[in-house]
Amino acid sequence: AQSVTQLGSHVSVSEGALVLLRCNYSSSVPPYLFWYVQYPNQGLQLLLKYTSAATLVKGINDFEAEFKKSETSFHLTKPSAHMSDAAEYFCAVSPRSMNTGFQKLVFGTGTRLLVSP
Amino acid sequence: DTAVSQTPKYLVTQMGNDKSIKCEQNLGHDTMYWYKQDSKKFLKIMFSYNNKELIINETVPNRFSPKSPDKAHLNLHINSLELGDSAVYFCASSHTGGANTGELFFGEGSRLTVL
Repeated sequence: AQSVTQLGSHVSVSEGALVLLRCNYSSSVPPYLFWYVQYPNQGLQLLLKYTSAATLVKGINDFEAEFKKSETSFHLTKPSAHMSDAAEYFCAVSPRSMNTGFQKLVFGTGTRLLVSP
Repeated sequence: DTAVSQTPKYLVTQMGNDKSIKCEQNLGHDTMYWYKQDSKKFLKIMFSYNNKELIINETVPNRFSPKSPDKAHLNLHINSLELGDSAVYFCASSHTGGANTGELFFGEGSRLTVL
């Protein structure tokens, strides 16, 4: 079964510092990978996704993630943190049989990003 | 013009009661989902419907009964509520087939508190 592991339930950074949120996946074949963000009292929204050969994926709000097959990783980064980035971030994995239409997305346990002034 | 809307946003009730949460999407998607997020923020899929047909049922107690009257609506009815049912329930939707980009669109959640 596919799964993702997010290292660190909390990550604290200063405003302007680099953001690095870690995600490792477990899958017998390269899966589709996603990062979702959840702001307080809101639903999840997609930040970015890996579904193709382009291993470096750019998302909204200057976030990006790199798919590294050799490391089974899909870490999320942002060069400079803003206060507004404080939220819960979820890595998720889905099997590549997306054409069946049934999206069985499996989420990691989430990482809370705290940004201090 | 909310894309995925859930009602109610907050629900406080006593153990043993029966309650429903409604979900509607206006994105033209044909697959809808219910996810449960526990107090530790862990998200787990409960059900998935495609064109009103149940596709995924993740060993959820049969006290939980989803109903999809049409592909734009997916409601969740819970019988005999227990303390452990307290959570935030998220509805989501997506395209299927060739239009499927892999992205789920989530509602804002319905926070259920069972006393």
